[in-house]
Amino acid sequence: EVQLVESGGGLVQPGGSLRLSCAASGFTFSSYAMHWVRQAPGKGLEYVSAISSNGGSTYYANSVKGRFTISRDNSKNTLYLQMGSLRAEDMAVYYCARKNMTTHDAFDIWGQGTMVTVSS
Amino acid sequence: DIQLTQSPSFLSASVGDRVTITCRASQGISSYLAWYQQKPGKAPKLLIYAASTLQSGVPSRFSGSGSGTEFTLTISSLQPEDFATYYCQQLNSYPPTFGQGTKVEIK
Repeated sequence: EVQLVESGGGLVQPGGSLRLSCAASGFTFSSYAMHWVRQAPGKGLEYVSAISSNGGSTYYANSVKGRFTISRDNSKNTLYLQMGSLRAEDMAVYYCARKNMTTHDAFDIWGQGTMVTVSS
Repeated sequence: DIQLTQSPSFLSASVGDRVTITCRASQGISSYLAWYQQKPGKAPKLLIYAASTLQSGVPSRFSGSGSGTEFTLTISSLQPEDFATYYCQQLNSYPPTFGQGTKVEIK
């Protein structure tokens, strides 16, 4: 079964750090660009970050640039999001998603999400 | 960044109704548009890509159309399991932005 499973969410104080993981299975992870998308409670979807299939290229939304780092370990079929200098506005469910060229670059597989709570 | 504006933001409809949601882009995006369905507490699910291509396994009552700056998602006969929030997403340029969502509720 093709799936993505996120982990690593939790409660963190403002200014703190957290690392999210996204474990992929059922497909050739190293062939796909991967993305992070977040959703604040009761709000819409917000794009966060992207990484190319080999990890050589990355992209960050302005809202997280300089604070978040996306990376991947293709030998472990795992995507990461290192989050630092966390703010109240970073509190959200974080989803990892697979971009698929056969679906015109749409995100065809999503994880179940992991909740990040930023509070003192 | 390309802005996507969905209308309406909320709609109330009955089972069997035909429902249409519009997504307008702030600049041309060719056919690089996708539609997703999200139910409470769940991840988004891809319904349509390339503006009008139905993702595998998605019921044929869903359809998409449009190109350039104006796009529509149509549900031909609303079913109980279709009550959800729908998002459009442009994939023409980074960042791949989302519309604000359209919540479809039971009348």
